[in-house]
Amino acid sequence: AQSVTQPDIHITVSEGASLELRCNYSYGATPYLFWYVQSPGQGLQLLLKYFSGDTLVQGIKGFEAEFKRSQSSFNLRKPSVHWSDAAEYFCAVGAGFGNEKLTFGTGTRLTIIP
Amino acid sequence: GAVVSQHPSRVICKSGTSVKIECRSLDFQATTMFWYRQFPKQSLMLMATSNEGSKATYEQGVEKDKFLINHASLTLSTLTVTSAHPEDSSFYICSAIPGQGASSEQFFGPGTRLTVL
Repeated sequence: AQSVTQPDIHITVSEGASLELRCNYSYGATPYLFWYVQSPGQGLQLLLKYFSGDTLVQGIKGFEAEFKRSQSSFNLRKPSVHWSDAAEYFCAVGAGFGNEKLTFGTGTRLTIIP
Repeated sequence: GAVVSQHPSRVICKSGTSVKIECRSLDFQATTMFWYRQFPKQSLMLMATSNEGSKATYEQGVEKDKFLINHASLTLSTLTVTSAHPEDSSFYICSAIPGQGASSEQFFGPGTRLTVL
């Protein structure tokens, strides 16, 4: 069975600082990996996804993630965070072709301090 | 962009009553919708896959008679929690995939907070 681990429940960073959110997955085949962001009262928004090809994936809002098969990781990064980045971030792995049947991690809450 | 709405956003009900939650794709047709449940500080757990015009596919451990799903049109899926109990209190989130291709992006609704007294 597939699973996703996000080791950090809550991270606090200063505005303008760099950010890395960790995600480790367990999946028997080539994974389909996703990062979503959830703001209070809003639905999940897709930041980026990895299906195949280049292991460094660029997403929206200046985010990127790197797929490392040897480490079973798909960490999310941003070089300089903005106050508007404060939200809950979820890593997810897809079971089959495309987006079907996603398995989510427990999420990381990001707080930005001025 | 593709928008998914849920109604109501919050609902409080008495134990033993039934509650219906609607999930609508506002500007696209969705042959497939998903229903998730999210407990505080926990993952979104997939409950069922809803396909327009056919019976929903439930995940293991999800009671299909308790969580009734109807996907009667290409823009609407409903989740009815029957005979709700306090342990059913949770955050319910739906998502929808435009078109018929499995590689399409899932678009999520804002969620419905259910509290059962």
